[in-house]
Amino acid sequence: KNEVEQSPQNLTAQEGEFITINCSYSVGISALHWLQQHPGGGIVSLFMLSSGKKKHGRLIATINIQEKHSSLHITASHPRDSAVYICAVRPFRTGNQFYFGTGTSLTVIP
Amino acid sequence: DTAVSQTPKYLVTQMGNDKSIKCEQNLGHDTMYWYKQDSKKFLKIMFSYNNKELIINETVPNRFSPKSPDKAHLNLHINSLELGDSAVYFCASSQGTGAQGPLHFGNGTRLTVT
Repeated sequence: KNEVEQSPQNLTAQEGEFITINCSYSVGISALHWLQQHPGGGIVSLFMLSSGKKKHGRLIATINIQEKHSSLHITASHPRDSAVYICAVRPFRTGNQFYFGTGTSLTVIP
Repeated sequence: DTAVSQTPKYLVTQMGNDKSIKCEQNLGHDTMYWYKQDSKKFLKIMFSYNNKELIINETVPNRFSPKSPDKAHLNLHINSLELGDSAVYFCASSQGTGAQGPLHFGNGTRLTVT
């Protein structure tokens, strides 16, 4: 079983819809990252969270450390948001390790 | 300026060959990583390295070896390439151990072994 589970695996939305992607993890962590991978392949860091909530433009990320759960929200979705969104956690234990979710493939239709 | 750059972008080679992928970061980060992304887009750590220690994922075959001439470079050498090595390889860097700041990724190297 993967230490990081994301849902849904695939998501199709109409332009303008509010989108939520969920990430649950099973280990104690010092940080959680949300990453975006566009069809061209490059990976971009969206957020790094250790508590609470962060907002950047139309993107909002929240984390609940007690429940070991994080959500990524996209408001007023746009076709250019179409990408794979990956959740990654940095566990407490020693070593520069990250555990990655399997990604959520988002397609926003005009 | 590209923060994390890796070369080449595409690499096609035959089984049994030895190849290298280069990675450089100009962010002043002290930790660099190599990740392998399989056909299902799942990212898996291969190595992480800072100026103090190299951490190797024990599932990585010893045909793979990282080489770091200095803090800004972490190259990946692969000996005796096999078909199963075909994947996209990403270099990344961070300040500290990944809890102090975001991960920065290179654009990936698509390796195809024929």
